[in-house]
Amino acid sequence: DPKIIQKPKYLVAVTGSEKILICEQYLGHNAMYWYRQSAKKPLEFMFSYSYQKLMDNQTASSRFQPQSSKKNHLDLQITALKPDDSATYFCASSQDNYTFGSGTRLLVI
Amino acid sequence: GQQVQQSPSSLVLQEGENAELQCNFSSTATQLQWFYQSPGGSLVSLLSNPSGTKHTGRLTSTTVTKERRSSLHISSSQTTDSGTYLCAIDRVGGSNAKLTFGKGTKLSVKS
Repeated sequence: DPKIIQKPKYLVAVTGSEKILICEQYLGHNAMYWYRQSAKKPLEFMFSYSYQKLMDNQTASSRFQPQSSKKNHLDLQITALKPDDSATYFCASSQDNYTFGSGTRLLVI
Repeated sequence: GQQVQQSPSSLVLQEGENAELQCNFSSTATQLQWFYQSPGGSLVSLLSNPSGTKHTGRLTSTTVTKERRSSLHISSSQTTDSGTYLCAIDRVGGSNAKLTFGKGTKLSVKS
């Protein structure tokens, strides 16, 4: 059974629209993260949360807003989507080691 | 500059050969983790090894913290080992942890 569930697996969005990427983890971890992998770039850290509080934000744009309604949830809302936002977005959690979800592949057209 | 450098960028092996992947990092690391990314994109943690030598199955990782380098040795490679191997470091740890990834080594194992 997957320990970190990301939904949807694939997402196609129109430029200017808004989407929410879902992440739920069942590892009992207190720390959760979002990472982004764009074409030909290394995985990049976006946000970290601990006990549902924002710890670090390395995303320049306010169009990216994490939302944590429960301890084991960390969704990512993206507004005013641009083609450059096209990437695979990975959710992760950690206690001592990291575990990643399978990612949401976003294509903005 | 790039904080985590991996070499080689790609590697082609015949099934049964061994692979040696290198990771060099430019700052101290409280955590170092090796990941496997499948051709389909999913990310799997292989080993966490901030220092010393660790084994799991056909994988051996050796990290020399003072020299800021780590290696991943894959013995008796199989075609199913094909994919990208990523090295990542965490400089801070704790509740403010943040992984910095290298660009990876793309491994192709041929039968």
